[in-house]
Amino acid sequence: QPVLTQSSSASASLGSSVKLTCTLSSGHSTYTIAWHQQQPGKAPRYLMTLEDSGRYKKGSRIPDRFSGSSSGTDRYLTISNLQSEDEADYYCEAWDSNIQTFGGGTKLTVL
Amino acid sequence: QVQLQESGPGLVKTSETLSLTCAVSDSSITRGYYWGWIRQPPGKGLEWIGSIYHSGSTYYNRSLKSRVIMSVDTSKKYFSLNLSSVTAADTAVYYCARRALDDAFDMWGQGTMVTVSS
Repeated sequence: QPVLTQSSSASASLGSSVKLTCTLSSGHSTYTIAWHQQQPGKAPRYLMTLEDSGRYKKGSRIPDRFSGSSSGTDRYLTISNLQSEDEADYYCEAWDSNIQTFGGGTKLTVL
Repeated sequence: QVQLQESGPGLVKTSETLSLTCAVSDSSITRGYYWGWIRQPPGKGLEWIGSIYHSGSTYYNRSLKSRVIMSVDTSKKYFSLNLSSVTAADTAVYYCARRALDDAFDMWGQGTMVTVSS
C-alpha cells in the first residue's frame, strides 16, 4: 500500500496562489490520488482525482481556481486567486486493491 | 445527488461496541458503488476504517480488522459499522462516504461525533 506524505502546514496571501504537495512512497509513482478539502468544523469535500500523467477530474461545483498536476511521485494541488474560504485542511487519498489510505493533511492558512 | 446521513449514539462505554448506520438517499446503494467509513479523532487526520460493496464484500483497515464488522441492507438503503471493544482512542468523528470501483471517496456524510468513556 502506498504511504502518502504531506507538509503539515502552508500559508499564502489572499489573492495569491499556493501549491500543495502530496508525495507517494517509493515504487508508487504511477498511482492516482484524490484531493479533499475540509473547512473548519465541516466534513471533507472531494475536490478532484489526479493521475500520474497530470490529468485530473474535478468534483461537481469545484471552482476553476483549483487544479492539479503531477511529477514523479509528487501530486500537486494548486489553488489560484486564494479566497478566505480556502483556509482549510487538505488531504490526499490513494487506494490499492480496495484498501484506501490518507495523507496526514496540510493546514492551509490564508493571510 | 446522493446524500449520506450517519446516525448512532454519541456516547459509548469503554469495552462496549460502537454501532453506527449510514442512510443513503437514493438507489445508488445497489449501483456499483462501494460504501465506506472514515474517522477523525479530535484535532487529527482522517483514518479509513473499511468499505463494503452492495454484495456484502468487505475490506477493512488492517489495524482495525479484528474489531470491525460492516454490513449493508440494500432494501432499506443503509449500511452499518460495528466496532467492538472500544477505548478512548476510538473517540472520533465518524464519516460515511461513497466511492466507485478503483476510485476515491467522492461523496461524504456530515459526520457524527462518538465519545468513548467509562
